[in-house]
Amino acid sequence: QVQMEQSGGEVKRPGASVRVSCKASGYSFRHFAVSWLRRAPGQGLEWMGWISANNGFTKYAQKFQGRVTLTTDTSTNTAYMELSNLRSDDTAVYYCARETSLPYFFDKWGQGTLVTVSS
Amino acid sequence: DIQMTQSPSTLSAFVGDRVTITCRASQSISRWLAWYQEKPGRAPRLLMSEASALQSGVPSRFSGSGSGTEFILTISNLQPDDSATYYCQEYKTYSHTFGLGTKLEIK
Repeated sequence: QVQMEQSGGEVKRPGASVRVSCKASGYSFRHFAVSWLRRAPGQGLEWMGWISANNGFTKYAQKFQGRVTLTTDTSTNTAYMELSNLRSDDTAVYYCARETSLPYFFDKWGQGTLVTVSS
Repeated sequence: DIQMTQSPSTLSAFVGDRVTITCRASQSISRWLAWYQEKPGRAPRLLMSEASALQSGVPSRFSGSGSGTEFILTISNLQPDDSATYYCQEYKTYSHTFGLGTKLEIK
């Protein structure tokens, strides 16, 4: 079955970068795109950006433009989200999710990765 | 940006009851609305797209309705396994805005 397995939790200092991975299985990776979302404590789900696994085209939410980089490795069916210049308010659970096109809904999700930013 | 307002924020009901969750959009989103179920420590699960299209494997006890700015998720014959938080999400815009969720407790 379709699965999206995310990497484990991270603790980072302010100003650092974090990279979260999302390994997809059970479907043709290049036929879909991957979005990244996050939920900060007490906040709602927030869409960060989207990457086509077919051609690497990306679309970022304006809020994260310049700080987030999405990539894929089609040899390992893995998507990556890197967030730089971390601040304490970046503490959140980060999710990858499969998305057919843009904008669309998310039919499969990773389990979430907690990123804690603390000095 | 479109705002999505869900109500109620919490809900408590008995096994066998029918409950409804409302999601209102600040502007028309046609039928570009999805519903998700989330349980602690687990990946969110897509229940429905295009306001009322049930995803494969989702029990028919779940149903959706609405268009434009008002949408309803109905769960009939509540089961203990339905205890979860439910979210709506618009996909008319790139923002993919979510509602803040409705936590459903089964008594």
